[in-house]
Amino acid sequence: DTGVSQDPRHKITKRGQNVTFRCDPISEHNRLYWYRQTLGQGPEFLTYFQNEAQLEKSRLLSDRFSAERPKGSFSTLEIQRTEQGDSAMYLCASSLAPGSYEQYFGPGTRLTVT
Amino acid sequence: DAKTTQPPSMDCAEGRAANLPCNHSTISGNEYVYWYRQIHSQGPQYIIHGLKNNETNEMASLIITEDRKSSTLILPHATLRDTAVYYCIVREGRNAGNMLTFGGGTRLMVKP
Repeated sequence: DTGVSQDPRHKITKRGQNVTFRCDPISEHNRLYWYRQTLGQGPEFLTYFQNEAQLEKSRLLSDRFSAERPKGSFSTLEIQRTEQGDSAMYLCASSLAPGSYEQYFGPGTRLTVT
Repeated sequence: DAKTTQPPSMDCAEGRAANLPCNHSTISGNEYVYWYRQIHSQGPQYIIHGLKNNETNEMASLIITEDRKSSTLILPHATLRDTAVYYCIVREGRNAGNMLTFGGGTRLMVKP
């Protein structure tokens, strides 16, 4: 399967713990995006990378959130000191820019904070 | 990016055409209309996009009104696998480089 992959698919953690998610984009894609989706809502943009550079961050991305894409390939999203409000689906997408009009999404990581 | 308005839910009989409307009355001249869908427990999937002309691909057709203030996504022969949330998104430029702003979407239920 050459699509976008995310790991883990599900994560249950206790409030206050740190969690890290991984996203592997389609191999030749230079842009990588993170979105968050809460139940019943559409996905909300968090941040995106062009190769290894983080070009934009949403105000939703508080100081407890950090994302990296160290070699311009896979990316990690870390949440420190998790809160119950962080419970959501975290979606990763990738695209080839410029020129491509489609973002390809992974299956997401569902985080539950207890 | 311009705001979009979609009905929260719709039903469609299997084998019939599903027509999903979207209002984007504040769309500007360089903004494209994109449609994505999200099947339960999956990430969103691109369907189609257009600027002002009608577009068709293997998945669907997109009809944009002449004033560009609204559009309709048409699934010509809906199947049970088309049950999903459909998002209409308006975004500047044709490039996929920028973020997508999703609204609430339309939950389409295809019934046997």
